[in-house]
Amino acid sequence: GAVVSQHPSWVICKSGTSVKIECRSLDFQATTMFWYRQFPKQSLMLMATSNEGSKATYEQGVEKDKFLINHASLTLSTLTVTSAHPEDSSFYICSANRVVNTEAFFGQGTRLTVV
Amino acid sequence: QKEVEQDPGPLSVPEGAIVSLNCTYSNSAFQYFMWYRQYSRKGPELLMYTYSSGNKEDGRFTAQVDKSSKYISLFIRDSQPSDSATYLCAMPFDDKIIFGKGTRLHILP
Repeated sequence: GAVVSQHPSWVICKSGTSVKIECRSLDFQATTMFWYRQFPKQSLMLMATSNEGSKATYEQGVEKDKFLINHASLTLSTLTVTSAHPEDSSFYICSANRVVNTEAFFGQGTRLTVV
Repeated sequence: QKEVEQDPGPLSVPEGAIVSLNCTYSNSAFQYFMWYRQYSRKGPELLMYTYSSGNKEDGRFTAQVDKSSKYISLFIRDSQPSDSATYLCAMPFDDKIIFGKGTRLHILP
């Protein structure tokens, strides 16, 4: 099966610091990776679409200087939350597709708490 | 009108019952349909993936697609407490995935 690994699964950081979250497709090459944010009991909110070797496409209202996305290879995308603040505390999830416009496979999610 | 509509629930059913989860969509260009299960504080897990009208069965799960009505369903037979989760329908389109808001399901022992 297709496996997507996300790391770390949880992180606590101090306000003002930066946090990096990794998303890896373990057994396939991902043409596209997506980053989502999810608040408790709410649905997934797409933050950005990431294609290998090109700049990420951010959804309206998502600060690209705040949420830096790097898709350096076909198996790795990273999300860096810069100068984190308590309001950035949330559940962040990545997903990856083998082929565009087909099923996506999700990572385990990262719970970020900014104190 | 939203592209994908899904009743958020919660839906509570007794153990052993048949569960019916549904979504409607407005864009007739949607070709592929997926159902995900999400446990609390976990990433969504792909349950079913189909691209044609009709039924697709996998164990206790059956996905049904009616493109003429723009209506999809997920049936769970012999429901168990471990099926308690949020179920999301999803349709890939235009290089993105359009999700329903998810239905919270509780199976009562």
